[in-house]
Amino acid sequence: DAGITQSPRHKVTETGTPVTLRCHQTENHRYMYWYRQDPGHGLRLIHYSYGVKDTDKGEVSDGYSVSRSKTEDFLLTLESATSSQTSVYFCAISEASGRGETQYFGPGTRLLVL
Amino acid sequence: GNSVTQMEGPVTLSEEAFLTINCTYTATGYPSLFWYVQYPGEGLQLLLKATKADDKGSNKGFEATYRKETTSFHLEKGSVQVSDSAVYFCALSEGGSYIPTFGRGTSLIVHP
Repeated sequence: DAGITQSPRHKVTETGTPVTLRCHQTENHRYMYWYRQDPGHGLRLIHYSYGVKDTDKGEVSDGYSVSRSKTEDFLLTLESATSSQTSVYFCAISEASGRGETQYFGPGTRLLVL
Repeated sequence: GNSVTQMEGPVTLSEEAFLTINCTYTATGYPSLFWYVQYPGEGLQLLLKATKADDKGSNKGFEATYRKETTSFHLEKGSVQVSDSAVYFCALSEGGSYIPTFGRGTSLIVHP
């Protein structure tokens, strides 16, 4: 199994509070991703990173920010959580072989915004 | 842009039945194709992949063949088990692009 951990695994928070989710990898892979998974929408990409301090937006980036100060850590921050951000959040990593990348996923974080 | 279309679920089968989950794709280049599986409460994990036309990916009794002429990558298994109950995602990834495209997932429920 790829060495990917996410913390926390479960969180309940209130509308308007900041929330930070952490993804940690031990594989030294260059690419890291944050997705959210919601019924009827499948997986949607929030942000991704292609190296330390190098990040870019995905299709549903509004209300989210990310940071990557070390190869192994990728943080997702909800600056002011809203109920629409209640979801399951997955981190993923991939190598950068340039030949069609397999993604390796973390176990997910279940976030409930009340 | 790229897209992946897979059959909507849930697919409900009895144990030992034959499984097919259809997947078709649209791509601007020559992608690699994947099936991922997500068991309840877990993240996605790679089930199988194929990197060029006519390649067959296989794992755990599941198979899928990369059909370039029909732009398809259908997932099959000859005899499903209750433990195969999960959500299955078809995906593509083009060389040089590090953003894969996922289908919406197909839920499989297998009854004893």
